Amino acid sequence: RKEVEQDPGPFNVPEGATVAFNCTYSNSASQSFFWYRQDCRKEPKLLMSVYSSGNEDGRFTAQLNRASQYISLLIRDSKLSDSATYLCVVNGRGNTPLVFGKGTRLSVIA
Amino acid sequence: EAGVVQSPRYKIIEKKQPVAFWCNPISGHNTLYWYRQNLGQGPELLIRYENEEAVDDSQLPKDRFSAERLKGVDSTLKIQPAELGDSAVYLCASSFLPYEQYFGPGTRLTVT
Repeated sequence: RKEVEQDPGPFNVPEGATVAFNCTYSNSASQSFFWYRQDCRKEPKLLMSVYSSGNEDGRFTAQLNRASQYISLLIRDSKLSDSATYLCVVNGRGNTPLVFGKGTRLSVIA
Repeated sequence: EAGVVQSPRYKIIEKKQPVAFWCNPISGHNTLYWYRQNLGQGPELLIRYENEEAVDDSQLPKDRFSAERLKGVDSTLKIQPAELGDSAVYLCASSFLPYEQYFGPGTRLTVT
């Protein structure tokens, strides 16, 4: 089983839609979870950290389910500018800082 | 505040040639990372430095890849000789806090 797994998509949604991505991780000892955003041919950028209690930043909500070892990202009222690849990131085994998933591609359509 | 700087942005070389990438991290960031990202994949860690010390290089193919971070600031990543499978984007990142990494724009390497 890969350390971090994501549905690669693409997710094609209309403007204004709500879309959710899930990500599973294999290391039950992981303590740190993040979502990064990567635009086409650009570098990844931190979107938000994921806290145990769940957290929200504007239209974005992140949730953590430790029992099932998955994290989720919910985007409400999708904008065209949300089109990007969303990378699930978890701290890895041992002292490995971060392990990135392959990413889920989102296309928001007018 | 200046971000992570990388050069060159693009590099095209023939196989068996050497190539080097340079990274200047954000000022004050003591941790520096080199990642490789293949098309359709997430970044994969090659090496991590804490100041001048390489603390995680388990994923670095040491037969052809080498890296250094002199004086704990700038870093170079070298491939010698390059192979076709090395074509990828090489990303440098830096951080002050352990898990908040800031990435540079990357170097897109094409080996022909």
